[in-house]
Amino acid sequence: GQSLEQPSEVTAVEGAIVQINCTYQTSGFYGLSWYQQHDGGAPTFLSYNALDGLEETGRFSSFLSRSDSYGYLLLQELQMKDSASYFCAVILYGNNRLAFGKGNQVVVIP
Amino acid sequence: SAVISQKPSRDICQRGTSLTIQCQVDSQVTMMFWYRQQPGQSLTLIATANQGSEATYESGFVIDKFPISRPNLTFSTLTVSNMSPEDSSIYLCSPSPSGSPGELFFGEGSRLTVL
Repeated sequence: GQSLEQPSEVTAVEGAIVQINCTYQTSGFYGLSWYQQHDGGAPTFLSYNALDGLEETGRFSSFLSRSDSYGYLLLQELQMKDSASYFCAVILYGNNRLAFGKGNQVVVIP
Repeated sequence: SAVISQKPSRDICQRGTSLTIQCQVDSQVTMMFWYRQQPGQSLTLIATANQGSEATYESGFVIDKFPISRPNLTFSTLTVSNMSPEDSSIYLCSPSPSGSPGELFFGEGSRLTVL
């Protein structure tokens, strides 16, 4: 089976940097993805790490360490529109289905 | 990215009734994933639907409660049977990725409220 742990909520000011951590326990997976979900909206893909290390996509970066069973999403230069829930998800062997973490709500304040 | 349409977008249902959610994708896809998101919670995979074979259900979900059809490679339905208030959730479909394996796209979801 698999389990993914994420802290629940963080509040930060515009322009700040926020790191959202994800620890997981799974018997095998292809990689770790991150999704953003605004209230009332569908989840949208942010980033995917197949290999250990850092992936950078604009203001967002994601990191994976398989040896530590750990990953994180880094949100830089926070904007009000970044207020949302963020989920990590592992891509499981077999039919590539995703198992999601509990999610972390980020609240950006002026 | 695929264009994914779900119907209904929302509905209010009576306890004991059943509702079928439709998911249409604008391109052929191998598998369709059905997820549930209960209020304030994360996404939980219900089942994976393949064309021409029975869906594969995750632990805690059964075919009698959530029957799935996959008549072709662009369409799938999920039925929520004999609903109770605990079934009040957003139900989301997602086609299997065509590019990066970690990059899923979701429909806008079907928000069900069971009274």
